[in-house]
Amino acid sequence: AQSVTQLDSHVSVSEGTPVLLRCNYSSSYSPSLFWYVQHPNKGLQLLLKYTSAATLVKGINGFEAEFKKSETSFHLTKPSAHMSDAAEYFCVVTGGSQGNLIFGKGTKLSVKP
Amino acid sequence: EAGVAQSPRYKIIEKRQSVAFWCNPISGHATLYWYQQILGQGPKLLIQFQNNGVVDDSQLPKDRFSAERLKGVDSTLKIQPAKLEDSAVYLCASSLVSGPYEQYFGPGTRLTVT
Repeated sequence: AQSVTQLDSHVSVSEGTPVLLRCNYSSSYSPSLFWYVQHPNKGLQLLLKYTSAATLVKGINGFEAEFKKSETSFHLTKPSAHMSDAAEYFCVVTGGSQGNLIFGKGTKLSVKP
Repeated sequence: EAGVAQSPRYKIIEKRQSVAFWCNPISGHATLYWYQQILGQGPKLLIQFQNNGVVDDSQLPKDRFSAERLKGVDSTLKIQPAKLEDSAVYLCASSLVSGPYEQYFGPGTRLTVT
């Protein structure tokens, strides 16, 4: 069965410093992987997705993620955090016969001034 | 382009009462999903529709939850009777087709069962 594990429930960084949100996945076949962001009282928004093309995926708002098959990881990074990046981030893998989305438990990112 | 609409945004009910949520997906999206997001967890798929047919309802507690998508457009999710553990945010999402493609999410309905 497919699953994702987000290794940190809460990450706190200072504005202007790098962001690293860690995600490991488990899949019996080549997966599609996503990162979604959820701002308070707003809907989930797609940040980026990996679908077996380039292993380094660039997303919106300066975020990127690297698919590493040998490490079964799909970590999310950003070179310089902005206050507006404070939100909950979800790592997602596709699973099941319909390719449904399976969400991790989320990582809450706090950005200090 | 209008996004996914949901109503109500908030609902408070007592246990054993019934409640219904409504979702209007993005125009032209054939696939509609209902998710349950319990506090501190990621969303969990409850049911998936392709047009007006159910594709996957394996995680829907069918003794108390029901959903329909008449005419293949908007959808309603009902809980009857509600339990305390049903307190959660109920998210609706839509996509053009099924599969590993981007899903567009609505703002959700926050349900509190007392």
